[in-house]
Amino acid sequence: AQSVTQPDIHITVSEGASLELRCNYSYGATPYLFWYVQSPGQGLQLLLKYFSGDTLVQGIKGFEAEFKRSQSSFNLRKPSVHWSDAAEYFCAVAGANDYKLSFGAGTTVTVRA
Amino acid sequence: ETGVTQSPTHLIKTRGQQVTLRCSSQSGHNTVSWYQQALGQGPQFIFQYYREEENGRGNFPPRFSGLQFPNYSSELNVNALELDDSALYLCASSLGREGYEQYFGPGTRLTVT
Repeated sequence: AQSVTQPDIHITVSEGASLELRCNYSYGATPYLFWYVQSPGQGLQLLLKYFSGDTLVQGIKGFEAEFKRSQSSFNLRKPSVHWSDAAEYFCAVAGANDYKLSFGAGTTVTVRA
Repeated sequence: ETGVTQSPTHLIKTRGQQVTLRCSSQSGHNTVSWYQQALGQGPQFIFQYYREEENGRGNFPPRFSGLQFPNYSSELNVNALELDDSALYLCASSLGREGYEQYFGPGTRLTVT
């Protein structure tokens, strides 16, 4: 069964600084990987996804993520954070024949002025 | 293009009661997945429907049941509510049986007292 670990429960970053959120997955075959963002009281918005090909994927809102098979990681990055990026971020994994998404516990991002 | 909608927004029920939550898929999508998100946790997969048939189920008891209608809208029914059923229930729609790219609704907040 697949699983996802997000080691950081809470990250505080200054506006304009860079942000990196860690995600480690466990899955026996090639995973399909996702990052979602959830603002307070709202549903999940898909930021980006990796299915195959180029291991550096670009998403919406200036986010990017890099798939590293050797490290079983799919870390999310943003070069310069805006106050509106304050939210909870979830990494998720799915398998080729298992269409459910398995989510990590999430990382809460706080942006300080 | 209409996104995923869910109703009601909030719901308060008493232990032992039954509840029905509703979801309308994004236009053009024929697959619906339901997730339970307890406070402070990532979403947990409940089940998925593709063209009115269950296409996978997570580790939830049979008192969690669902339906998908010919217009691809869906219902989640929970019988014999327990206090631990208090959570945000998220519906996601996607296209095709292998619908990995899932788009989420805003959720229904269920409180069981």
